[in-house]
Amino acid sequence: EADIYQTPRYLVIGTGKKITLECSQTMGHDKMYWYQQDPGMELHLIHYSYGVNSTEKGDLSSESTVSRIRTEHFPLTLESARPSHTSQYLCASSVSGEKTEAFFGQGTRLTVV
Amino acid sequence: KNQVEQSPQSLIILEGKNCTLQCNYTVSPFSNLRWYKQDTGRGPVSLTIMTFSENTKSNGRYTATLDADTKQSSLHITASQLSDSASYICVVSDRGSTLGRLYFGRGTQLTVWP
Repeated sequence: EADIYQTPRYLVIGTGKKITLECSQTMGHDKMYWYQQDPGMELHLIHYSYGVNSTEKGDLSSESTVSRIRTEHFPLTLESARPSHTSQYLCASSVSGEKTEAFFGQGTRLTVV
Repeated sequence: KNQVEQSPQSLIILEGKNCTLQCNYTVSPFSNLRWYKQDTGRGPVSLTIMTFSENTKSNGRYTATLDADTKQSSLHITASQLSDSASYICVVSDRGSTLGRLYFGRGTQLTVWP
């Protein structure tokens, strides 16, 4: 069982609110990722990190921001939530190397009303 | 453009039957290919991972094959169970960046009926 945790699992929030989705892993992985997934669609990379104080934007344009102050923690923040942000957000982590697995959290289902 | 295409989009089979899911990719340069199982509303869980030199990998009733020349992979499920109902996602990683970028297919939605 992978030791990567996301909270909350489900969140319903009003437009304009600021929210932070939490992701923590206890495996000491250097790489961490945030993906966005709509129902029946593929995962899209929105942010990633190689290590502490390293963050980069992914392929999918996102109005969210991330931080990596500690190896085990990679929170994602939306300053002002909009209905278009309604989606499932998945956090993942891995170590460097050709054959290493990416372990995923259970996801946060966000609904902005 | 790096892409991963999966077929069929959805599949319904009876419990106990076998099935095969397909994955074609154009990701280059290729690093590895993974199959994940994703239950509804949950994060993906890894089933197999194969590098260029591996052409088959088994994990219980799941057997994945890889043809790196034709850039095709398949996932064979033997003696299906109701708990196999899920989305099966093919993920290809490139070696062209330090990130080892992951490219995701849309998945095949498998439903196993009793």
